[in-house]
Amino acid sequence: GQQVMQIPQYQHVQEGEDFTTYCNSSTTLSNIQWYKQRPGGHPVFLIQLVKSGEVKKQKRLTFQFGEAKKNSSLHITATQTTDVGTYFCAGGSQGNLIFGKGTKLSVKP
Amino acid sequence: GAVVSQHPSRVICKSGTSVKIECRSLDFQATTMFWYRQFPKQSLMLMATSNEGSKATYEQGVEKDKFLINHASLTLSTLTVTSAHPEDSSFYICSARDMRGADGELFFGEGSRLTVL
Repeated sequence: GQQVMQIPQYQHVQEGEDFTTYCNSSTTLSNIQWYKQRPGGHPVFLIQLVKSGEVKKQKRLTFQFGEAKKNSSLHITATQTTDVGTYFCAGGSQGNLIFGKGTKLSVKP
Repeated sequence: GAVVSQHPSRVICKSGTSVKIECRSLDFQATTMFWYRQFPKQSLMLMATSNEGSKATYEQGVEKDKFLINHASLTLSTLTVTSAHPEDSSFYICSARDMRGADGELFFGEGSRLTVL
């Protein structure tokens, strides 16, 4: 069946270092969403990308949607301790939303 | 990794009927499961928190009599959409918290597409 693979599963960084998580879909997506889940919390919607090759920025976060609409990335520049959490991508396809398994980010001060 | 199974993946029903969706944690016990709803091209919306052995906690604006949640065992939560109407057509997805990890990692089901005619 349709899958959305997300890597890495875990990432430990020193505060100030950059961080990137990648999502790959087995099929072409209509859109991709990114969520952030703080420890013990729920996924909070960050952004949705719809267009092929789209790039969006939110302060230190940069989101990209691949040209083929099968992959996406989230890049955080100069991580801070407040960035700690699990980042999920979710691919929209045929009206459904398929979640990746998430990348858990820890930041050492 | 932990797996959460959701069933059925797709269901079509007539207006006025009730539909039950199951969410199972396959290899861990989940004292807490969550139900979400997603409208087309919109973000996920938390509907309710399902707690094993107690009543579910509903988010503001979600009708508890309309969306019945039962969490009878540590591995199963069900969402019943009662007297479904076309406006209930949506994508419903559950998640379960695996408390074996320090932060209670969240795992998502595959989702259920409900279409009410």
